[in-house]
Amino acid sequence: RKEVEQDPGPFNVPEGATVAFNCTYSNSASQSFFWYRQDCRKEPKLLMSVYSSGNEDGRFTAQLNRASQYISLLIRDSKLSDSATYLCVVNGGGGYSTLTFGKGTMLLVSP
Amino acid sequence: NAGVTQTPKFQVLKTGQSMTLQCAQDMNHNSMYWYRQDPGMGLRLIYYSASEGTTDKGEVPNGYNVSRLNKREFSLRLESAAPSQTSVYFCASRTKTPPGELFFGEGSRLTVL
Repeated sequence: RKEVEQDPGPFNVPEGATVAFNCTYSNSASQSFFWYRQDCRKEPKLLMSVYSSGNEDGRFTAQLNRASQYISLLIRDSKLSDSATYLCVVNGGGGYSTLTFGKGTMLLVSP
Repeated sequence: NAGVTQTPKFQVLKTGQSMTLQCAQDMNHNSMYWYRQDPGMGLRLIYYSASEGTTDKGEVPNGYNVSRLNKREFSLRLESAAPSQTSVYFCASRTKTPPGELFFGEGSRLTVL
């Protein structure tokens, strides 16, 4: 099993739709979880950290399921500007200092 | 607020040439990282430095060397560039306190002919 796995997509959705991505991780000792957003030919930028209790930031909701070892990202009322690649990031087996990235899920929002 | 600054942004090298990618952060972070990103491969860790004076290999260190010059600066050197090192390189630094978000530079696009 790969360390961090994501469906590469693309997910094609119309504006206003709700879309959800999942990401599975293999290291049960992982403590830190994040969703990053990467626009084409740009650097990744933090979208949100993922906490055990789940967290919400506007239209974005992140959940962590430790028992099944996955995290999820829900985007409500999709905007054209949400089109990007969403990267799942988990701290790796090397402890606090190292983070492992999924290959990303591409989202395309159309008018 | 500069954040993480990388130079150069673009570089073309011939096989066998050497070069150094520079990275500096002004956020007083202890940890700094070098990643490469290739199509279909995602971001892969080359080297990291958990604190000033320490460096460790990541997933793909072969063909690279690093120097943590001080707390602010972390450079990546290609001693003898190969076409397989054509990639986009990202430097990042990480906040000290958990959960520890990564902040990235804008990237350096390297082509080795």
